[in-house]
Amino acid sequence: DQQVKQNSPSLSVQEGRISILNCDYTNSMFDYFLWYKKYPAEGPTFLISISSIKDKNEDGRFTVFLNKSAKHLSLHIVPSQPGDSAVYFCAASVSGTYKYIFGTGTRLKVLA
Amino acid sequence: DTAVSQTPKYLVTQMGNDKSIKCEQNLGHDTMYWYKQDSKKFLKIMFSYNNKELIINETVPNRFSPKSPDKAHLNLHINSLELGDSAVYFCASSQDTIGYEQFFGPGTRLTVL
Repeated sequence: DQQVKQNSPSLSVQEGRISILNCDYTNSMFDYFLWYKKYPAEGPTFLISISSIKDKNEDGRFTVFLNKSAKHLSLHIVPSQPGDSAVYFCAASVSGTYKYIFGTGTRLKVLA
Repeated sequence: DTAVSQTPKYLVTQMGNDKSIKCEQNLGHDTMYWYKQDSKKFLKIMFSYNNKELIINETVPNRFSPKSPDKAHLNLHINSLELGDSAVYFCASSQDTIGYEQFFGPGTRLTVL
């Protein structure tokens, strides 16, 4: 039972355009969400997070949107750069459970 | 300066062997984790220690035993290795539990023949 789903295994975007990566979850108790980026042969690196009390968090080119009623979050990257090409994971947690549930990842390819 | 390091990076071994993977973090974090990423790329939590105390123990076979000698180290010992144990194992740490980002090590690719 996959509680966090990233239904698009891959995405290609032209350099300079917007990349939108989506994540859906089923557990309405999740109250903290993160996005990680992963390059081949490396561990995931933290990108941005959002608490359920917010619906948007922005950090430079990266913005995460949370729609609690739809149980959906998205990561927007504007403008996309070739160095953004990586696998992106979303993760969710319930306060007090001490663990994060990860999605299966979306491979983003930014074309120069 | 490597924040979270794992050794070895690659591990190839025969079925039935016992092996260990070591993890060290120099971030002064209180919480450490072991994750398994299988062939389908699912990244699943296995164990978590907070201040050397086990706080997460998912449904992992007893053949897997974590050991935390101190807050900076969390090692993973695997007995009687099976083919299905082949995966990439990631160690991670965070300042505390939920609400803090996790810093991941580079991973250990375990191949069981």
